[in-house]
Amino acid sequence: DTGVSQNPRHKITKRGQNVTFRCDPISEHNRLYWYRQTLGQGPEFLTYFQNEAQLEKSRLLSDRFSAERPKGSFSTLEIQRTEQGDSAMYLCASSGDRGAYGYTFGSGTRLTVV
Amino acid sequence: GENVEQHPSTLSVQEGDSAVIKCTYSDSASNYFPWYKQELGKRPQLIIDIRSNVGEKKDQRIAVTLNKTAKHFSLHITETQPEDSAVYFCAASDTNFGNEKLTFGTGTRLTIIP
Repeated sequence: DTGVSQNPRHKITKRGQNVTFRCDPISEHNRLYWYRQTLGQGPEFLTYFQNEAQLEKSRLLSDRFSAERPKGSFSTLEIQRTEQGDSAMYLCASSGDRGAYGYTFGSGTRLTVV
Repeated sequence: GENVEQHPSTLSVQEGDSAVIKCTYSDSASNYFPWYKQELGKRPQLIIDIRSNVGEKKDQRIAVTLNKTAKHFSLHITETQPEDSAVYFCAASDTNFGNEKLTFGTGTRLTIIP
């Protein structure tokens, strides 16, 4: 286990299609975070899980977005009916009990909506 | 909510010179201030952080200073090297009451000129 793994690395989809991304955290980490990064901006918080419980969701996470972490291990982020404005890098991070003090980011999934 | 501003957006320095990146935050309750380095196509990596009970922290060529009264903090890189070229993000968080999300600045693209 060498770090946080995200798949796919790149995804191109047509507007209106659904997409799903996967994040595999560091195995001993119980916390998992999703961020979105658009060009020229810093990462923006979307949601986070402690084990399987989704503890916080940002206003950025519209009804078209859903995230799950069913067994407290990997997580999926689904975007339904994609729009061009959804084009961004989606970053996942995990942490142990240190929470905000111990983020390890994955390399992200770059989504392009055409 | 928290708002973090970061300046400059781009910075070019001669190899061997120093670089300084500055951030201001809005929420006086913020007590944790990490700095991340993101090389092209790679994941953000934590390079140094500081908590609000400390005014300065140093790690080899990298230092961070915090002025709680003015609500600003800065990253200082001395004796810059070509491998320091990257985008640097500051972030702030109020980790009290179990909050674990980070609010990021918009990033500074640092270019080291050989």
